[in-house]
Amino acid sequence: DAKTTQPPSMDCAEGRAANLPCNHSTISGNEYVYWYRQIHSQGPQYIIHGLKNNETNEMASLIITEDRKSSTLILPHATLRDTAVYYCIALGPSGSRLTFGEGTQLTVNP
Amino acid sequence: GAVVSQHPSRVICKSGTSVKIECRSLDFQATTMFWYRQFPKQSLMLMATSNEGSKATYEQGVEKDKFLINHASLTLSTLTVTSAHPEDSSFYICSALQGRETQYFGPGTRLLVL
Repeated sequence: DAKTTQPPSMDCAEGRAANLPCNHSTISGNEYVYWYRQIHSQGPQYIIHGLKNNETNEMASLIITEDRKSSTLILPHATLRDTAVYYCIALGPSGSRLTFGEGTQLTVNP
Repeated sequence: GAVVSQHPSRVICKSGTSVKIECRSLDFQATTMFWYRQFPKQSLMLMATSNEGSKATYEQGVEKDKFLINHASLTLSTLTVTSAHPEDSSFYICSALQGRETQYFGPGTRLLVL
């Protein structure tokens, strides 16, 4: 599975959009981009995943560039409860072994 | 989303004893479950892949005789830490694969070995 690169930390004001970037320049054509988050002392929570098209659900939006070398997770109206470590993971369709990197520590400030 | 539970949420045991952790998928069947371990200030590390009705597949460096995994049904996998020692103290997290694409995680079990 392709390696992903994320900034170690980001800050966001409560109520504003949080845009979390992820680079996956070596991603192959059949690898999905998955996003999970982990709030302190809890298990990871699935957020969203996509292949080529942009995706949106009740939690977030996922924007994938046309060349698929990077993506952005958007939390449209961040709240204090969104403070967590966010992980971007590339995963092939037949694979299921998630490899967690260091992720991005998002801190939402009041 | 799909719900995965773990029991117990935290456990304290004496060195040399064994501890069993249960992982259940509550609203879906999972032929594949995973066990992770997370030390303080570190990311999750995959320990093993558990397949219903067959032997688990362990990651390199994980002792299969120390971390016994049983996946006897489509909704339950158990991890038993045998002869636990203080260095086994960690946060153990399971996940269950729904369909072929998405893993859903349990809330984790914090193990402290005295």
